[in-house]
Amino acid sequence: AQKVTQAQTEISVVEKEDVTLDCVYETRDTTYYLFWYKQPPSGELVFLIRRNSFDEQNEISGRYSWNFQKSTSSFNFTITASQVVDSAVYFCALTLSYNQGGKLIFGQGTELSVKP
Amino acid sequence: DSGVTQTPKHLITATGQRVTLRCSPRSGDLSVYWYQQSLDQGLQFLIQYYNGEERAKGNILERFSAQQFPDLHSELNLSSLELGDSALYFCASSVGTGHEITEAFFGQGTRLTVV
Repeated sequence: AQKVTQAQTEISVVEKEDVTLDCVYETRDTTYYLFWYKQPPSGELVFLIRRNSFDEQNEISGRYSWNFQKSTSSFNFTITASQVVDSAVYFCALTLSYNQGGKLIFGQGTELSVKP
Repeated sequence: DSGVTQTPKHLITATGQRVTLRCSPRSGDLSVYWYQQSLDQGLQFLIQYYNGEERAKGNILERFSAQQFPDLHSELNLSSLELGDSALYFCASSVGTGHEITEAFFGQGTRLTVV
């Protein structure tokens, strides 16, 4: 069975601190895709990144970076120099190959609170 | 703005009633997904349609049904509503060629409250 675990339920930091959100996934498939979504207080889900299982390169986008390690089945997300606007719930998600439809299996989410 | 439109944004109804949630996907997207977000269950996949046909089913109750129309908009029908159906219902769409996984973009959600 497939599963995504975000062990950190809530994280609170002070502005400008760096913060890492952990994501551990389980699947027996060799082809899969990992995602991060952000859910700000307004409620919508905002796509952040997609990564397939064959691409272990880390990615950086501005203050955001992602570390994908197949050896530990982890896809962690780091925000550098956090800002109040980063306060949101962040979800890690897994989907399998296309013939399984592409449905997302979400973790329980990590609520990040960035205080000024 | 993701380009995915959901209506209505809020819905309050009584137990036993039936409601219809509507979703217009992003232009060009063929796949539509429905998800339910509740405090106890988190974000759960309900059902997916691809170009008018049901593609995958998740933990969708028999009281719930969905369809995707020729113009690609989708509707989620919830009937015999119970208090426990109160949740935020999301629609998402993706290009979904059927041969590769692309990211799904989510609508703003419909918050359903059953009283």
